[in-house]
Amino acid sequence: GQQVMQIPQYQHVQEGEDFTTYCNSSTTLSNIQWYKQRPGGHPVFLIQLVKSGEVKKQKRLTFQFGEAKKNSSLHITATQTTDVGTYFCAGYGGSQGNLIFGKGTKLSVKP
Amino acid sequence: NAGVMQNPRHLVRRRGQEARLRCSPMKGHSHVYWYRQLPEEGLKFMVYLQKENIIDESGMPKERFSAEFPKEGPSILRIQQVVRGDSAAYFCASSLTGERTEAFFGQGTRLTVV
Repeated sequence: GQQVMQIPQYQHVQEGEDFTTYCNSSTTLSNIQWYKQRPGGHPVFLIQLVKSGEVKKQKRLTFQFGEAKKNSSLHITATQTTDVGTYFCAGYGGSQGNLIFGKGTKLSVKP
Repeated sequence: NAGVMQNPRHLVRRRGQEARLRCSPMKGHSHVYWYRQLPEEGLKFMVYLQKENIIDESGMPKERFSAEFPKEGPSILRIQQVVRGDSAAYFCASSLTGERTEAFFGQGTRLTVV
């Protein structure tokens, strides 16, 4: 079945440093979504990318969708302590259209 | 417009008992997904349902686990004869039309089996 892989699993940064997480799918995706889960919380939708090569920005966050629509990345510029949490990518896949999540990248930010 | 509601938020069960987890999707949403999350781990897909239909249950163990989404009322994830290994957070998410729409998550049910 479809698999969505994410690296790294953990990332520890000093406040102000940049952060990037990468997502790869075993199959071509119709779209890719990114979610953030704060410690003890539930996943919250951040953004969806649909077009090949698409780039979207939300303040300090930059999201990219690969040309082949099989990979994506999330880059945070100048991290802040409020960025702490786990970032998940997710794609609709399989023959049934279920929403599959990567294992996430847990970001910790040292003030 | 209330978000996705899950209850209970915390559930403690003894080994061998049944656990019933409820999920009311956002108003107008007919697609429901259930996920299981162990501490420090990702979201493992369990089952995808639309009203009265199970679309994909490939992530759900064939024994002891079942799910439904009736025409009226919440979606239910049922775990029979719980074991310690079932202890986890169970999240439900709903979406408006399925593919290409964002999923809204409930706050989860933390199941502890003692």
